[in-house]
Amino acid sequence: KNQVEQSPQSLIILEGKNCTLQCNYTVSPFSNLRWYKQDTGRGPVSLTIMTFSENTKSNGRYTATLDADTKQSSLHITASQLSDSASYICVVSAIDDYKLSFGAGTTVTVRA
Amino acid sequence: NAGVTQTPKFQVLKTGQSMTLQCAQDMNHNSMYWYRQDPGMGLRLIYYSASEGTTDKGEVPNGYNVSRLNKREFSLRLESAAPSQTSVYFCASLEVSQAFFGQGTRLTVV
Repeated sequence: KNQVEQSPQSLIILEGKNCTLQCNYTVSPFSNLRWYKQDTGRGPVSLTIMTFSENTKSNGRYTATLDADTKQSSLHITASQLSDSASYICVVSAIDDYKLSFGAGTTVTVRA
Repeated sequence: NAGVTQTPKFQVLKTGQSMTLQCAQDMNHNSMYWYRQDPGMGLRLIYYSASEGTTDKGEVPNGYNVSRLNKREFSLRLESAAPSQTSVYFCASLEVSQAFFGQGTRLTVV
């Protein structure tokens, strides 16, 4: 069964600090991995996409990494802002599969 | 360009009542999905439609039915609501593995 595990479940950081979120998956055959940001009361929105051949990709202060051999990904948030407070969801796609595999998400709270 | 539009945003039902959640997308996507999101759990797939005219069960289909009315619209129906169906429901459409989500429907069954 395709699974996606995220850690930690939640974290609290001070504004301006960095943090790293983890995602481990067992989805196979692997197609790509996306990180989504979900603000409270809203639907998730894609931040980055990682394909098999990509190791690192940045989107502003968000940097995603992928190790396809160990089936691990991370999302690093640099110089956090209050607006980064949200749930971050790791979503993995398998080749030729319409269904996506979702992690449970990491809730990030940024405090002033 | 509205993206994915869901209605209603909030709904309270009594046990045994029925209702239909509406979803429409204006991005000409073939694939559409219904998910439910519960605290501490990832989004779980209820039903999906890979293309107009087809629907398939997802991970948690019991108690739900769907209709892919046309390419734009994909509705989710609860025939006899149960408290276990209290959740936030998201509709999504898919393009090259990127899912575009609606704003969600917060459903409470009492």
